[in-house]
Amino acid sequence: LAKTTQPISMDSYEGQEVNITCSHNNIATNDYITWYQQFPSQGPRFIIQGYKTKVTNEVASLFIPADRKSSTLSLPRVSLSDTAVYYCLVGDIHRGSYIPTFGRGTSLIVHP
Amino acid sequence: DADVTQTPRNRITKTGKRIMLECSQTKGHDRMYWYRQDPGLGLRLIYYSFDVKDINKGEISDGYSVSRQAQAKFSLSLESAIPNQTALYFCATSDLHSGAGHTFGSGTRLTVV
Repeated sequence: LAKTTQPISMDSYEGQEVNITCSHNNIATNDYITWYQQFPSQGPRFIIQGYKTKVTNEVASLFIPADRKSSTLSLPRVSLSDTAVYYCLVGDIHRGSYIPTFGRGTSLIVHP
Repeated sequence: DADVTQTPRNRITKTGKRIMLECSQTKGHDRMYWYRQDPGLGLRLIYYSFDVKDINKGEISDGYSVSRQAQAKFSLSLESAIPNQTALYFCATSDLHSGAGHTFGSGTRLTVV
């Protein structure tokens, strides 16, 4: 099974840009990379998805290098409400089937 | 109504009891998943189903079983609950091979005493 690696925790301050990197060495050719946000006692919520290069939406940007073995979630000008756990998700081929693999998550704390 | 509904939201049960957690979805997705979350360990996959006739073990399937009663329903059973199965359980659905685009339920908090 593919493994993903993320920093366990990060700290930031309101108004700063935050970059969280996920490593996924065994990503499959057809896999997309997806990031989720989770608040305590809630299910994860989709943030952004990409295949290669750069994707941007109203809340974040996702940077994926050409080899696709890593990805970086960028949160511009974070606020206190961005304090959450962020997960990186890729699929992995196992016995011919795709299996979603979550990273262990990065706990982001935004300070005033 | 929520796209993915889990019942119950909270449950306390005794060691050795059989318990079923239920999940239903209105997304029309073929793929359904059960995850377990423990503090500091992120989400770990228990079982997943790509369609009604396809059930697969995930990373931590021991002690659990599942039933895909219909496209919209996927239940998780603990045949004989033990305290280390105390955790937050999430059901999710998706419709892409990559596993992207998961829609999660609100979770079931299970405590085994």
